[in-house]
Amino acid sequence: NAGVTQTPKFQVLKTGQSMTLQCAQDMNHNSMYWYRQDPGMGLRLIYYSASEGTTDKGEVPNGYNVSRLNKREFSLRLESAAPSQTSVYFCASSEGPLNQPQHFGDGTRLSIL
Amino acid sequence: SQQGEEDPQALSIQEGENATMNCSYKTSINNLQWYRQNSGRGLVHLILIRSNEREKHSGRLRVTLDTSKKSSSLLITASRAADTASYFCATESSNDYKLSFGAGTTVTVRA
Repeated sequence: NAGVTQTPKFQVLKTGQSMTLQCAQDMNHNSMYWYRQDPGMGLRLIYYSASEGTTDKGEVPNGYNVSRLNKREFSLRLESAAPSQTSVYFCASSEGPLNQPQHFGDGTRLSIL
Repeated sequence: SQQGEEDPQALSIQEGENATMNCSYKTSINNLQWYRQNSGRGLVHLILIRSNEREKHSGRLRVTLDTSKKSSSLLITASRAADTASYFCATESSNDYKLSFGAGTTVTVRA
């Protein structure tokens, strides 16, 4: 029972490179989320998917795109990485968008040089 | 923007003591949630308290919510070394159902 699995765990990129962060959940949850966590700050929502087939912007969507591939998987893509995107990225899922706890993966630590 | 603000930013206590941290928020909410994060790990959900609830317990955790003051508190009783972690409050907005996290309280429990 893995919960929420994120890959990779660590990544170093050069400015301008692209990459996709992968997230999969095995709890049959409807809603999935991508956050970033920067030092001294709480998590900030990048994008979310309330249900399969829908995605919506969060607080800090610029420079990112997402794909809800199916009910289990929700990927985050950086098309042209910038140093300001150096952060720890967390994926989360919940049964639904309302009044539900979120379950988090262990994060992807991304450094952009 | 961050809705929840935790206080204090950091807390150091002796094993066996109680730890209390507070969270204030600004707008109307459906619920308020508390999460724990151990170093290098993801967040773990602790308690969800709905806007019509005033107090909730889970094991050694006690959460209160005062919607008139827009504030919540998390009490950890009889703390243990394993309680060393960062604790975050998160509010679910009644407007758009999104969670907004505070910057967290770092708790260190000394043996």
